Amino acid sequence: AQSVSQHNHHVILSEAASLELGCNYSYGGTVNLFWYVQYPGQHLQLLLKYFSGDPLVKGIKGFEAEFIKSKFSFNLRKPSVQWSDTAEYFCAVIGGADGLTFGKGTHLIIQP
Amino acid sequence: NAGVMQNPRHLVRRRGQEARLRCSPMKGHSHVYWYRQLPEEGLKFMVYLQKENIIDESGMPKERFSAEFPKEGPSILRIQQVVRGDSAAYFCASSPLSGRAADTQYFGPGTRLTVL
Repeated sequence: AQSVSQHNHHVILSEAASLELGCNYSYGGTVNLFWYVQYPGQHLQLLLKYFSGDPLVKGIKGFEAEFIKSKFSFNLRKPSVQWSDTAEYFCAVIGGADGLTFGKGTHLIIQP
Repeated sequence: NAGVMQNPRHLVRRRGQEARLRCSPMKGHSHVYWYRQLPEEGLKFMVYLQKENIIDESGMPKERFSAEFPKEGPSILRIQQVVRGDSAAYFCASSPLSGRAADTQYFGPGTRLTVL
């Protein structure tokens, strides 16, 4: 069965700092990868996704993620965070017969 | 274009009561998924339905939980005789095409169930 591991459960950064949230998955076959964001009081929204092609994926609000197949990773990055990026971030994967499998999430707090 | 809609947003039940959670998929979407998010946990897949069919219920607890997606109307997640451990946020997602491995799922706002 596939699984997703998000290394940091809580991250606190100052505005303008650079962000990298780790995500590793376990599945040896072809995968589709996603990052979802949940802003306080709101529902899950898709940030970006990787299905195939260029492993560097650009999403909304200046976020990007890089799929590194050899490392089974799909880390989320943003060069300069804003206070409004405070949210919960979930990495998710689909591969094989399992459905969409989520990591436990990373709670990001941006301090003004 | 309205997104995925869930109601109620908050539901409070006493132990032993029934909880009914509703999900209306996005227009044009015929595939519905239910997930549960326990405190401090990620979302866990429960069930995948198409109209009038349960495709995959491998994540559903064997007892007390059931789901349906009738030809007309919303998808319903039903929890009978709720217990405190059922307290969680329940999210519904929908996708437009068959083959859940290929589709992006769009999520509703969730229903937060509290069992007293």
